[in-house]
Amino acid sequence: DADVTQTPRNRITKTGKRIMLECSQTKGHDRMYWYRQDPGLGLQLIYYSFDVKDINKGEISDGYSVSRQAQAKFSLSLESAIPNQTALYFCATSDGGWLREQFFGPGTRLTVL
Amino acid sequence: DQQVKQNSPSLSVQEGRISILNCDYTNSMFDYFLWYKKYPAEGPTFLISISSIKDKNEDGRFTVFLNKSAKHLSLHIVPSQPGDSAVYFCAASGDDKIIFGKGTRLHILP
Repeated sequence: DADVTQTPRNRITKTGKRIMLECSQTKGHDRMYWYRQDPGLGLQLIYYSFDVKDINKGEISDGYSVSRQAQAKFSLSLESAIPNQTALYFCATSDGGWLREQFFGPGTRLTVL
Repeated sequence: DQQVKQNSPSLSVQEGRISILNCDYTNSMFDYFLWYKKYPAEGPTFLISISSIKDKNEDGRFTVFLNKSAKHLSLHIVPSQPGDSAVYFCAASGDDKIIFGKGTRLHILP
């Protein structure tokens, strides 16, 4: 079984809809991250959480919110989806700060029509 | 304002030869650098990293070189193998953030 899982793997939705992407991990890591990747671009950090009570904004948090329901679960919400949020979304975990390798989930491909 | 740049979108290398992927950064606060490899339909996987206190780190066929004065790092893969065909991302961390480059697509030719 994968250490970092993301659901759904693919989602097509319409402008204005609320969408939640979920991430679960079995690695026992405290730190979890959400990234988006646009075609031809690198990964951009949306939000990160260093423990259940700690949530921080990344480079591109506008239009997104997150919830850390437990050490193992970190969900990303788009309150009112818009077409330029069409992207590939990755969840990642690490057992240390920025100096430690991150373990990524397989990604969620989101299309907003 | 790209703080981490991978100026070559793609690179083709003959199997068995050396692959060299380059990365430049602008923020002198970055003090740890990582390379990730990504196959289609999968998440990135960690490959190798280097701290700013070192100028070289080696792991099997993979070596990362850091030139702090030039704010430049490179990943060397020797010898290149077909399974190395993937997108490679450089990442720089420090100053309470991590920034990824846009990636370089490496094609290993038979």
